[in-house]
Amino acid sequence: SSELTQDPAVSVALGQTVRITCQGDSLRSYYASWYQQKPGQAPVVVIYGKNNRPSGIPDRFSGSSSGNTASLTITGAQAEDEADYYCNSRDSSVNHWVFGGGTKLTVL
Amino acid sequence: QVQLVESGGGVVQPGRSLRLSCAVSGFTFSRYGFHWVRQAPGKGLEWVAVIWYDGSKEYYVDSVKGRFTVSRDNSKNTLYLQMNSLRAEDTAVYYCARDSDLNRFDYWGQGTLVTVSS
Repeated sequence: SSELTQDPAVSVALGQTVRITCQGDSLRSYYASWYQQKPGQAPVVVIYGKNNRPSGIPDRFSGSSSGNTASLTITGAQAEDEADYYCNSRDSSVNHWVFGGGTKLTVL
Repeated sequence: QVQLVESGGGVVQPGRSLRLSCAVSGFTFSRYGFHWVRQAPGKGLEWVAVIWYDGSKEYYVDSVKGRFTVSRDNSKNTLYLQMNSLRAEDTAVYYCARDSDLNRFDYWGQGTLVTVSS
């Protein structure tokens, strides 16, 4: 089955831009969705599809995709964006879904 | 408003069974598929299973196939996860999540903790 690979940790200075990436073969067939998870809380979807934000998600969050790589970009990172971020996609070979290992974002 | 509320977690011995429930409200339950996702302590998210909106199809991650069964009761607006032959590595917080367009999981429950230990 497919796997999604993320960098374990990324840091960004307050107000700067950060990109979190996710690589996997399934991303050639399906868009990734991105989830933010803060300690002790359930995940929340922040980006899905080509570049869609659910209502209530700030427009500093955006998504893109190219080939086997999906990216989540936070433009002007805020302290409240410090969290774990997971990508997710449907496995292209079977009716499975898969999560990336997660990226811990630190806002300095 | 939309709510998904899991229950049924607890401490169970290896080899025993447990059934989780996810009670749903705030939308038409029978129109949506649902997933179970788990998170071991200090670890990342792991997709566990999906059930189609009408219950016609179910799929599982390989590590639980043959041991876990997902089901739903559209008359009770409730999703279930029957977990048999539990192992220590099944210890995790289990979340139910709604499947929505473009493969997103748009609503999640708060999770229920399952601890498999002797």
